[in-house]
Amino acid sequence: TQLLEQSPQFLSIQEGENLTVYCNSSSVFSSLQWYRQEPGEGPVLLVTVVTGGEVKKLKRLTFQFGDARKDSSLHITAAQPGDTGLYLCAGRVTGGGNKLTFGTGTQLKVEL
Amino acid sequence: NAGVTQTPKFRILKIGQSMTLQCTQDMNHNYMYWYRQDPGMGLKLIYYSVGAGITDKGEVPNGYNVSRSTTEDFPLRLELAAPSQTSVYFCASSYWGVNEKLFFGSGTQLSVL
Repeated sequence: TQLLEQSPQFLSIQEGENLTVYCNSSSVFSSLQWYRQEPGEGPVLLVTVVTGGEVKKLKRLTFQFGDARKDSSLHITAAQPGDTGLYLCAGRVTGGGNKLTFGTGTQLKVEL
Repeated sequence: NAGVTQTPKFRILKIGQSMTLQCTQDMNHNYMYWYRQDPGMGLKLIYYSVGAGITDKGEVPNGYNVSRSTTEDFPLRLELAAPSQTSVYFCASSYWGVNEKLFFGSGTQLSVL
């Protein structure tokens, strides 16, 4: 059983479209992070959210942490080919120490 | 700074062979982790360490062993390799703290044939 489920698993869109990726769990997280991974490389941190209801923006990317701290979303506005990659949410379960559990991943492809 | 360094980058093993994946970090991080990643999927935690001499199991520890004799090094040992261990292995490290980000190595692609 996967602790963090992401949807959709795959997403192929045209440049300029908007998209949302979801990260859901039945567990409560003390914090949640989003990483992006390109082929042949390790994941790189995009953002950390720690407060229920928190919204953070990083240029065209908007991240939201659910009020109950069980879910999160990543919204990309006007996607560009450079946004192509594997997006991973990762969370630390409340009371679980510093152990970071990753989600199932969303593979995004943005075409011209 | 080199960050997190993993060796080798690629390796092919025969069923039943053993090997050690090396990981070293030069950032004086307390925490170190080993993850495995199957194609197009998320990462699964194999083992982690909160400091020298302390290790603990993650989600998928069977078939692997680790040790942490120094702050810098966290090798992962595969005993009796099996085809199910074909994967990309990532080592990562972080400072102490529940919101700290992980720094990843560039991965080791392992095939067991």
